[in-house]
Amino acid sequence: GAVVSQHPSRVICKSGTSVKIECRSLDFQATTMFWYRQFPKQSLMLMATSNEGSKATYEQGVEKDKFLINHASLTLSTLTVTSAHPEDSSFYICSARGAGYLYNEQFFGPGTRLTVL
Amino acid sequence: GENVEQHPSTLSVQEGDSAVIKCTYSDSASNYFPWYKQELGKGPQLIIDIRSNVGEKKDQRIAVTLNKTAKHFSLHITETQPEDSAVYFCAARVSGNTPLVFGKGTRLSVIA
Repeated sequence: GAVVSQHPSRVICKSGTSVKIECRSLDFQATTMFWYRQFPKQSLMLMATSNEGSKATYEQGVEKDKFLINHASLTLSTLTVTSAHPEDSSFYICSARGAGYLYNEQFFGPGTRLTVL
Repeated sequence: GENVEQHPSTLSVQEGDSAVIKCTYSDSASNYFPWYKQELGKGPQLIIDIRSNVGEKKDQRIAVTLNKTAKHFSLHITETQPEDSAVYFCAARVSGNTPLVFGKGTRLSVIA
């Protein structure tokens, strides 16, 4: 149980285009979802926290107009990288937290590798 | 806010030996301490966690210890195998409403 999926797993796009990444909790309802980015050989850096039906809370230094987060349902959150540039190339990982006995644990998706040419 | 330090950054052990990774945290209110294993190109996988009301927890070859007074916790892997090679992250959280704060990771290499 407690599986989180991400789609796509890899994406290559041209500079200036927008890319949408989906994160789904497959067998539980995710009351909160987190989006992280990870550069090579570095730790996970939290970008934003989103609760279902609410606006996302962004970490300091993360542009909310560039990284659009939508958490429209208890099983789906999306991250859209708008007007992507090469410096946005990174590994993006979502994480979901449920309710009840799943409240304390965070379950991670497999990640999406974004390459901007 | 919470700050988590993790050591060492890299660790090489011979197959069959034990590996120990240590983390310290700054916020005494933190009460949840998970450990994640991340293989190349994949997302982190929870391998074990401990809560502040417990001093030690074990799951087969993996154990975690917590010293609340010193604000540090450690991951112990015994009888290491090549498939244990990965990056390991510790994390800490103050409450269920706050996100996890991660250490910088330890790259473990188990040499056959």
